[in-house]
Amino acid sequence: AQSVTQPDIHITVSEGASLELRCNYSYGATPYLFWYVQSPGQGLQLLLKYFSGDTLVQGIKGFEAEFKRSQSSFNLRKPSVHWSDAAEYFCAVCGDSVDGSYQLTFGKGTKLSVIP
Amino acid sequence: SAVISQKPSRDICQRGTSLTIQCQVDSQVTMMFWYRQQPGQSLTLIATANQGSEATYESGFVIDKFPISRPNLTFSTLTVSNMSPEDSSIYLCSVAWGGPQETQYFGPGTRLLVL
Repeated sequence: AQSVTQPDIHITVSEGASLELRCNYSYGATPYLFWYVQSPGQGLQLLLKYFSGDTLVQGIKGFEAEFKRSQSSFNLRKPSVHWSDAAEYFCAVCGDSVDGSYQLTFGKGTKLSVIP
Repeated sequence: SAVISQKPSRDICQRGTSLTIQCQVDSQVTMMFWYRQQPGQSLTLIATANQGSEATYESGFVIDKFPISRPNLTFSTLTVSNMSPEDSSIYLCSVAWGGPQETQYFGPGTRLLVL
């Protein structure tokens, strides 16, 4: 079964600083990887996804993520954080479930706080 | 991407009662999912609901507690039955969208508080 680890529960950065949120996955085959963002009181919004090809993927809101197979990682980055980026970020891996359908497994999330 | 709506957006309920949550999609989709997000936690899959078949429940979730309907390709309901305070959570539906490499898109969630 697949699993996702987000080692950082809470990160605080200053506005304008760079950001990297860590994500490590465990999955036997080539994974499908996702980052979602959940703003306070909101549902989940897809930031970006990796299926194959270029290991550096661009997403919305200026985010990018890099797939590193050797490290089983899919870290999320942003060069300059804005106050509106304060939210909770979830990494997820998609793999096969028992009945053959796709199943998303989420990490526990990283809460991002931004200091003005 | 698909546009997903949920009703109600939030509710406060008494223990022992039941609440039915609706999920509506603006496009026809085969696969819909229901998740629970307990306070301060990540998302846990409750069940997969495909149109024309019985919902498939994950370990720890049973049909008697969380009955699901999927009458057509754009709509599903999740009922939280005989509620207790431990059922206080955000309930989210999602749909798989995008062809062979399907991505899940989520509704805004239903925030449930059980007193």
